[in-house]
Amino acid sequence: SQELEQSPQSLIVQEGKNLTINCTSSKTLYGLYWYKQKYGEGLIFLMMLQKGGEEKSHEKITAKLDEKKQQSSLHITASQPSHAGIYLCGAYVDYYGQNFVFGPGTRLSVLP
Amino acid sequence: GAGVSQSPRYKVTKRGQDVTLRCDPISSHATLYWYQQALGQGPEFLTYFNYEAQPDKSGLPSDRFSAERPEGSISTLTIQRTEQRDSAMYRCASSLSPGYTDTQYFGPGTRLTVL
Repeated sequence: SQELEQSPQSLIVQEGKNLTINCTSSKTLYGLYWYKQKYGEGLIFLMMLQKGGEEKSHEKITAKLDEKKQQSSLHITASQPSHAGIYLCGAYVDYYGQNFVFGPGTRLSVLP
Repeated sequence: GAGVSQSPRYKVTKRGQDVTLRCDPISSHATLYWYQQALGQGPEFLTYFNYEAQPDKSGLPSDRFSAERPEGSISTLTIQRTEQRDSAMYRCASSLSPGYTDTQYFGPGTRLTVL
């Protein structure tokens, strides 16, 4: 079974709209990473969260990790076509950092 | 095969030795990626192949690292004259194409320990 779930699986928004992608686990997450998949560049690192309640922002993207460290959200404000891509969350699901898993990804399309 | 496979799953080697890691992607997938993940860190991009072509080597940390995919299917990652700092999990992923619309599917990884 998938240890990390992402929702929605795909998302189509109009340029300028805000959107949120969620990453959820039944286990405590020890280090939650958000990546964007771009053409021919592999995964591009966006942000990493470790502490419960932590929130980080970069340009128009904000990521949060809930207090229980079982759910993270990625929020994009005023989306642009350049935000289109596949967003993946990945996380350590064990305290000792041995077991790293990825979510299935969320496909985002932004219509001009 | 049903998914991406990698071998060996674990490799312990002595400093200075060469190692070769193997990735067997999903058979219909044109694109193959290699990532390095140090302990406690997230994966970092090394290189990728589109069939047998290798358009981007920018992530390879030094000239001791090289990768091949001669027939556009199985790929190998070779590290020459290994150093302790090379110890990491090496992950391989494949996708239908390099396009951002195609999800990457990850293999289980090879954990390399350099003594």
